[in-house]
Amino acid sequence: NAGVTQTPKFRVLKTGQSMTLLCAQDMNHEYMYWYRQDPGMGLRLIHYSVGEGTTAKGEVPDGYNVSRLKKQNFLLGLESAAPSQTSVYFCASTRQPQETQYFGPGTRLLVL
Amino acid sequence: KQEVTQIPAALSVPEGENLVLNCSFTDSAIYNLQWFRQDPGKGLTSLLLIQSSQREQTSGRLNASLDKSSGRSTLYIAASQPGDSATYLCAVSNTGTASKLTFGTGTRLQVTL
Repeated sequence: NAGVTQTPKFRVLKTGQSMTLLCAQDMNHEYMYWYRQDPGMGLRLIHYSVGEGTTAKGEVPDGYNVSRLKKQNFLLGLESAAPSQTSVYFCASTRQPQETQYFGPGTRLLVL
Repeated sequence: KQEVTQIPAALSVPEGENLVLNCSFTDSAIYNLQWFRQDPGKGLTSLLLIQSSQREQTSGRLNASLDKSSGRSTLYIAASQPGDSATYLCAVSNTGTASKLTFGTGTRLQVTL
């Protein structure tokens, strides 16, 4: 089992460019999440999904979109990147709400 | 809105010392509480998960306690080792929230030789 994987590991964007971050899990988990981690602010939830074909907003959803077309994949999109979106992005998944969440290794994004 | 606080923000202890990390939360209607470890530049690794009905969980040298009514949890690390150096994060999942986690800002631990 690879667990939770994230692509890419690191990316530099210019303001206004777009990109998609890919999260994949091979544990057949229903629930998937996107968080961002910024210094001094901890991890904050961007969007989440409770199953294939579903998505919902988290604490800081503005500027991001997501899709869950396949159960194993959860995509995070930035349509027009801004410097404020410079962060480390983590994906996580879990089978049921009362179980632990498994995190990917993170994607470091720098927006110039 | 749930808020999670971790004190201290940073801690340095000599090898072999026992230590306690603290976590407090404002809303006691939680599903569970988790402690994670994060090494620099890495992802999060789950250490312990305590369900709301439980008082404590143990794994090796780690023991986590939960007092839901007072909104507090502690992570006890026995006989600390340099390999324990990392940032420790506390996160709570509120009831009816699809297991969305609210994180504290972490305690950065350094264990010195």
